Amino acid sequence: GQQLNQSPQSMFIQEGEDVSMNCTSSSIFNTWLWYKQDPGEGPVLLIALYKAGELTSNGRLTAQFGITRKDSFLNISASIPSDVGIYFCAGLYTGTASKLTFGTGTRLQVML
Amino acid sequence: EAGVTQFPSHSVIEKGQTVTLRCDPISGHDNLYWYRRVMGKEIKFLLHFVKESKQDESGMPNNRFLAERTGGTYSTLKVQPAELEDSGVYFCASSPRLAGAPEQYFGPGTRLTVT
Repeated sequence: GQQLNQSPQSMFIQEGEDVSMNCTSSSIFNTWLWYKQDPGEGPVLLIALYKAGELTSNGRLTAQFGITRKDSFLNISASIPSDVGIYFCAGLYTGTASKLTFGTGTRLQVML
Repeated sequence: EAGVTQFPSHSVIEKGQTVTLRCDPISGHDNLYWYRRVMGKEIKFLLHFVKESKQDESGMPNNRFLAERTGGTYSTLKVQPAELEDSGVYFCASSPRLAGAPEQYFGPGTRLTVT
């Protein structure tokens, strides 16, 4: 089956720093989604990307759909304490009846 | 607009017992999905309903898991009998039946612990 490798697994950064994380796949996707999960909550959709090369922003978050359709990147600028959580990438290939394939997650911790 | 809701939030049962999880999708969403995250692993797809029909159940681990969505509204996921490896967080998600709208919205999850 399809696998998504997400890196880094965890990050411990200073408040105000920029953060980058990425996902790579062994196969192509039509859509990339980035989610954030807070403790005790479900994943919350942050950004959706629909075509190769697309660059989309949501506040301090920017994500890109890789040209090869096998990767995606998420950047967070000027991190703040509430950015703490687990970030998941998810790929969707319409040939698989809408099921999402998730990455293993990046745990972000922000030091004050 | 209310989001996806799930009940219960936590469940602790003994091996061999039965547990039923419930999901109420966002009103009007035809697509309903079940996912599971086992400790330390990625979130994995279990199955997908379109209204009351099972569109894809390729992720269901085995026949101890039974999902239903009678009437095309809420869904239940029953595990019978539960085994230790069934422990994890079970998420439900929904999306509208619109072309070009693949975003899935997740509920808070049910944390299942089998002892």
